[in-house]
Amino acid sequence: AQSVTQLDSHVSVSEGTPVLLRCNYSSSYSPSLFWYVQHPNKGLQLLLKYTSAATLVKGINGFEAEFKKSETSFHLTKPSAHMSDAAEYFCVVSYTGGFKTIFGAGTRLFVKA
Amino acid sequence: GAGVSQSPSNKVTEKGKDVELRCDPISGHTALYWYRQSLGQGLEFLIYFQGNSAPDKSGLPSDRFSAERTGGSVSTLTIQRTQQEDSAVYLCASSPWGGHGTDTQYFGPGTRLTVL
Repeated sequence: AQSVTQLDSHVSVSEGTPVLLRCNYSSSYSPSLFWYVQHPNKGLQLLLKYTSAATLVKGINGFEAEFKKSETSFHLTKPSAHMSDAAEYFCVVSYTGGFKTIFGAGTRLFVKA
Repeated sequence: GAGVSQSPSNKVTEKGKDVELRCDPISGHTALYWYRQSLGQGLEFLIYFQGNSAPDKSGLPSDRFSAERTGGSVSTLTIQRTQQEDSAVYLCASSPWGGHGTDTQYFGPGTRLTVL
């Protein structure tokens, strides 16, 4: 069975410091992995996705994620946090040939001035 | 171009009433998804439509929930005899192909349902 676990419900960083949001998945098939962001009172927006090409994926707003099959992880990183990064982040898994997407519980990112 | 739109944006209803939530997907998108997001929770998959295929209803929480998609475009999610635990934000998404697992989903702004 597929599942996705976001290891932190809340992450707090200072502006200008690195961001790390952790995600582990389990899948019996070749997974596709996504990160979506949800700003307050706004819809979800795709940050980046991994679909079996390069293992290091670059997304919008300076975010990137690395697919590590041996660790079944897809952690989201950004070198330097900005106040506008404060939002809820969702890690999502699906698999090639399927359609059902499994959302993680979300990680709320707080950015302190 | 226009994104996914949902209406109403907010709906307040009394326990026991029926409600209908509408989703207009991006034109030409084959797949359409409904999710429920309860306060402080992740997204819970409800139902999936792709083209003219029979929908996957495996995520619907009870037989009070139903959905249809007319003409491969607009979708309506109906909740009958609403209960307080139905209070949540209902999100709709569409994607170009759907069945490949690699599709990006484009989300609407959601409908916030409050059952008193």
